[in-house]
Amino acid sequence: RKEVEQDPGPFNVPEGATVAFNCTYSNSASQSFFWYRQDCRKEPKLLMSVYSSGNEDGRFTAQLNRASQYISLLIRDSKLSDSATYLCVAGRSAGNMLTFGGGTRLMVKP
Amino acid sequence: NAGVTQTPKFQVLKTGQSMTLQCAQDMNHEYMSWYRQDPGMGLRLIHYSVGAGITDQGEVPNGYNVSRSTTEDFPLRLLSAAPSQTSVYFCASRLDRGDYSPLHFGNGTRLTVT
Repeated sequence: RKEVEQDPGPFNVPEGATVAFNCTYSNSASQSFFWYRQDCRKEPKLLMSVYSSGNEDGRFTAQLNRASQYISLLIRDSKLSDSATYLCVAGRSAGNMLTFGGGTRLMVKP
Repeated sequence: NAGVTQTPKFQVLKTGQSMTLQCAQDMNHEYMSWYRQDPGMGLRLIHYSVGAGITDQGEVPNGYNVSRSTTEDFPLRLLSAAPSQTSVYFCASRLDRGDYSPLHFGNGTRLTVT
């Protein structure tokens, strides 16, 4: 089993839709969590860190569920420009290794 | 402030050749790392460093060497290139190993080994 797992998608949604992705992690010692966005043939870019209490940045909301060992990303009012692959990342506290999930592809259609 | 700079952007090697992928950061980050990204495999950690003079292996270190003589630079060496090393390579740095210290990536190097 992979340490960090994501549904690869693609998730095809219309503009304006709300879409949610989940990401499960297997190592209960994980303490660091992030969501990255990666456009085709580009480097991953930080979308948001995921805090224990959850956090929101504009149309994006990230949540952490430690009991079930998953993190989620909610995108409201989807834009065409949100089309990308979303990568979740988990790492152990003060750890040396951040592990990436395989990514979830989102395609927002007009 | 350039961030993380990788060179070259593209490279084609023949099997058995060696080369060095360069990575430099100007953010005074303690932690630097190399990942490779392959279709269906996601990003996998090759080697990392938590400071000058300190390096360690990640998930897929075989066939690669690294060194960290300065805080800024973290080159990745392919000793004898193999077709299985055809991939996109990303260098990434983070301020430290704190829980909320994210990785910052370079633009990547696309390597083809024939």
